[in-house]
Amino acid sequence: RKEVEQDPGPFNVPEGATVAFNCTYSNSASQSFFWYRQDCRKEPKLLMSVYSSGNEDGRFTAQLNRASQYISLLIRDSKLSDSATYLCVVDNTGGFKTIFGAGTRLFVKA
Amino acid sequence: NAGVTQTPKFRILKIGQSMTLQCTQDMNHNYMYWYRQDPGMGLKLIYYSVGAGITDKGEVPNGYNVSRSTTEDFPLRLELAAPSQTSVYFCASSYLSPGQLNEKLFFGSGTQLSVL
Repeated sequence: RKEVEQDPGPFNVPEGATVAFNCTYSNSASQSFFWYRQDCRKEPKLLMSVYSSGNEDGRFTAQLNRASQYISLLIRDSKLSDSATYLCVVDNTGGFKTIFGAGTRLFVKA
Repeated sequence: NAGVTQTPKFRILKIGQSMTLQCTQDMNHNYMYWYRQDPGMGLKLIYYSVGAGITDKGEVPNGYNVSRSTTEDFPLRLELAAPSQTSVYFCASSYLSPGQLNEKLFFGSGTQLSVL
């Protein structure tokens, strides 16, 4: 089992749609969780951290479920500019163990 | 407003050649990293550094070497390039150590390396 798993997609959605991505992680001792966005042939950029109580940033909502060991990202009112690959990132303690998922591709269509 | 700067952006090597990927950051970050990203795969950590003079292996260090003589620079050396090293390489830095809440990685724009 991979340490961090994501549905590779692609997700094809129309503008204005709501779309959700899930990411599962295998290490129950994982401490910190993040979503990064990566545009085609570009570097990853932090989208948002994921807090235990869940958090929201504009149209983006992140949730953490420790019991089931998954995090989620919800995008509301999708924009064309949301088209990108979304990387799930999990940090484990006890060494430099930042694990990147392979990413979920999102295409938002007009 | 440079952030993390990587050079070169593209490079083609022949099998057995060597090269150095340059990385410099102007944010005074102690933590620096080298990742590789293969198609359809997550980023894999090659080497990291917690400060000048201190480096350590990541998940996939074989075939690579690093040095950290200054806070700003963290070059990655490829010795005896092999086709398996064809990948996109990203340098990154951070102010906080990995695992700390709100730790944010700042990435360079990447180097596309092909070994033929």
